[in-house]
This record gives sequence, structure tokens and C-alpha cells, in this order.
Amino acid sequence: EAGVAQSPRYKIIEKRQSVAFWCNPISGHATLYWYQQILGQGPKLLIQFQNNGVVDDSQLPKDRFSAERLKGVDSTLKIQPAKLEDSAVYLCASSLGSLEYLLTDTQYFGPGTRLTVL
Amino acid sequence: SQQGEEDPQALSIQEGENATMNCSYKTSINNLQWYRQNSGRGLVHLILIRSNEREKHSGRLRVTLDTSKKSSSLLITASRAADTASYFCATEEGANSKLTFGKGITLSVRP
Repeated sequence: EAGVAQSPRYKIIEKRQSVAFWCNPISGHATLYWYQQILGQGPKLLIQFQNNGVVDDSQLPKDRFSAERLKGVDSTLKIQPAKLEDSAVYLCASSLGSLEYLLTDTQYFGPGTRLTVL
Repeated sequence: SQQGEEDPQALSIQEGENATMNCSYKTSINNLQWYRQNSGRGLVHLILIRSNEREKHSGRLRVTLDTSKKSSSLLITASRAADTASYFCATEEGANSKLTFGKGITLSVRP
């Protein structure tokens, strides 16, 4: 079974530039998550999709971050414009998200995209 | 905000020894999960324990959960050099199954 795919793996940009990350979840997984992991910290949830609808985006800095999941499969996360403090690893994860697995749903993580903002 | 707080922050042991890591949290949870992250790579799910469970085993892993104390421990028995990684506890809460991670524990296993 193929895992969660992310690209690019690394990205270096200057502040005020724009950047986009792509995620392809495990086939059949209804729920998709984007996390931000700053060096030395645990991942922080940015946004959660159930199919193509947003379930939780309470920690997404909406003035500069946006995300979409068209057709309920692939997803993109965009930062525009980037700030120095956005330097982090951006992790995408997916889970089955069905009622059958309620309360025991396991999230599967991709390798992440390491963003450096200069 | 980060709910889970792991203890210790770093742990260094000899191969073959057991490693015990602790996690405390603050609010009601659906379940508690432990993840491993090798340097520069994604997180790997290790084990999940539901809020109505007290102990669970998976291979060399043993996890306990005490909801009255809002704490959990992860025991890795007979450690190997390949167990060297960062370990995170994550609490799942709410109807949307939101996962909140701690800051992690760095485990070094010396060959």
C-alpha cells in the first residue's frame, strides 16, 4: 500500500515570497491533515479536511495560509507571503475517517516538506 | 497549544536496557497515541490506547494509561540502536478527533 506522498521535500525561499506544498493521501482515506512542525517541537495541526470540507482550521493563520482539497483527494497548502517564522517542516497526514473507526482512527504521515525562509 | 507534555526531554541508554517515557495531559481524551520520528523523516504511529483501557502491548512496546492522573507511559524493552529517535505522545479529543502533540522525547540508544 502506497503511503502519503508529499512534494517538494525541501524548499528554500526568501521572506515575502509565496510557496505551495502538495499532498496525496493514502487511497480511500477521507480525512486529510496539515501540520506545522517547528524545530524542537511537536507537530501542530493547521487544518483538517473531511473529504473536501474543512473540519478544523482554528490554528491556520488565515491572513497568509490557505489550503484546499479539491475533489476530496489531493490537497495543497499555500503560504503567501512567507515570514521567517514559517520556517518549519510541513507534514501531511491522512486517516480513514469513517464512523467504523471512530475514536481509534490512526493517522499516517507523509515524509514532510522542509521549508526554509531566508 | 500543546496538551501532552513528555518527560524526560532526553534519554540516553545502553542497547539492551529498557526505556521508559512519560506523558501528562490536561483534558479529557478519546485516546492517547505514541509516535516515533527518525531524524528528518515523517512520524510513524506506534500504538494507540483508548481512554477506557489501562494497558496495551505491541511487540517490545508497553503503554499504560491512568486517566485519573491524566498520564501515560511508554516502555520499550530490550532497546536497540535502531530505536534511536524522537518519541511523541499525542492526545486525541473531541468529536473531530483532533490530535495534539507534545514536544517529544529524544531517545539515544548506545550500541
